[in-house]
Amino acid sequence: GENVEQHPSTLSVQEGDSAVIKCTYSDSASNYFPWYKQELGKRPQLIIDIRSNVGEKKDQRIAVTLNKTAKHFSLHITETQPEDSAVYFCAASESGGGADGLTFGKGTHLIIQP
Amino acid sequence: DGGITQSPKYLFRKEGQNVTLSCEQNLNHDAMYWYRQDPGQGLRLIYYSQIVNDFQKGDIAEGYSVSREKKESFPLTVTSAQKNPTAFYLCASSIGGSLTEAFFGQGTRLTVV
Repeated sequence: GENVEQHPSTLSVQEGDSAVIKCTYSDSASNYFPWYKQELGKRPQLIIDIRSNVGEKKDQRIAVTLNKTAKHFSLHITETQPEDSAVYFCAASESGGGADGLTFGKGTHLIIQP
Repeated sequence: DGGITQSPKYLFRKEGQNVTLSCEQNLNHDAMYWYRQDPGQGLRLIYYSQIVNDFQKGDIAEGYSVSREKKESFPLTVTSAQKNPTAFYLCASSIGGSLTEAFFGQGTRLTVV
């Protein structure tokens, strides 16, 4: 099955700086890569996703890049703000024609220092 | 925060007891999922269902059971066979297919006492 590795487990950046979180996946057939943000005690919420026919996607301060050859994808947050502090999860979806669930990375705790 | 609802928010179980976690969605989604979240472990898939009356085991199904008698409901039973059930349980749903967003419920925190 799919295996997703996520790094780093904790990331501390100064407010206003950029943050980058990286993930690798094992199944070359995976074709959907979402990123979820989970604030303390709350449900994960989708912040951005990318599909395998796209190399990069941007939404305001958030961007995701995908390198299918190397089987890795990254989340980039620019001009970080205190409300960006949360745990971020990457995920990959195995293809195969069914809604067989997402495989998640172990999460990155992003801390924005004032 | 409507759409997918889990209950209860907190649940306490005695050793040897079965407990059932509720998950209901009004999004008309075909697919539903149960994930377990432990500190430092991310989210791990327990069971998933693509359609009514059908469900499949995920990566950590041992000690759990599910049913999908109605499209909007996907209850999870944590049985006494689950050796370490204390965790945060998240239910999710999606339209279906492998390229669609999953929407999560607010979670149930289960503690064995």
